[in-house]
Amino acid sequence: DAGVIQSPRHEVTEMGQEVTLRCKPISGHDYLFWYRQTMMRGLELLIYFNNNVPIDDSGMPEDRFSAKMPNASFSTLKIQPSEPRDSAVYFCASRSDTWDEKLFFGSGTQLSVL
Amino acid sequence: AQSVTQPDIHITVSEGASLELRCNYSYGATPYLFWYVQSPGQGLQLLLKYFSGDTLVQGIKGFEAEFKRSQSSFNRRKPSVHGSDAAEYFCAVGSGANNLFFGTGTRLTVIP
Repeated sequence: DAGVIQSPRHEVTEMGQEVTLRCKPISGHDYLFWYRQTMMRGLELLIYFNNNVPIDDSGMPEDRFSAKMPNASFSTLKIQPSEPRDSAVYFCASRSDTWDEKLFFGSGTQLSVL
Repeated sequence: AQSVTQPDIHITVSEGASLELRCNYSYGATPYLFWYVQSPGQGLQLLLKYFSGDTLVQGIKGFEAEFKRSQSSFNRRKPSVHGSDAAEYFCAVGSGANNLFFGTGTRLTVIP
């Protein structure tokens, strides 16, 4: 398996533009997570899905952020409109529904909002 | 409130020296505890985890971690550090993998 795949690896955009981050989880994994990593706040859970259904979105910072999982193999995180304070590395992770509790992370998307 | 504290933002050690990465947590229930490693430009990889049982957990590459309930700590140790250990290390706590709270990380630099 290729692991969790995120795209793009880097995104540079201007304030006010819409940004869409993409994630393909590992096949067969029931859970998908979106995390944001910044120097000041470290890793923060934004939202997670179980079987394509959003379970906990309490970490989504504000209404400008939205996430979808239309099927088991694809998820998007959208920011509209983007702001400079959204600049961070966004990680997607997935895991299977086993006792193992092991998260598999993608390589992240480095987002810079100018 | 749940929180994880990694008091050392950056640690520099010489190759062959011993190492301890500190992690303290605040959690309302019996925690699950994890250590993850992040190499430059990469996502995080699980190194070891503690759910229950023996409080000394063995991980990969000679690392181990010890859960001390009385101190709310889950420190990670290695008797002899190698250059390839240089990375950023994250401690995490939760009631499971669905609601992990991560520390802000400790960056390890190894001097040859």
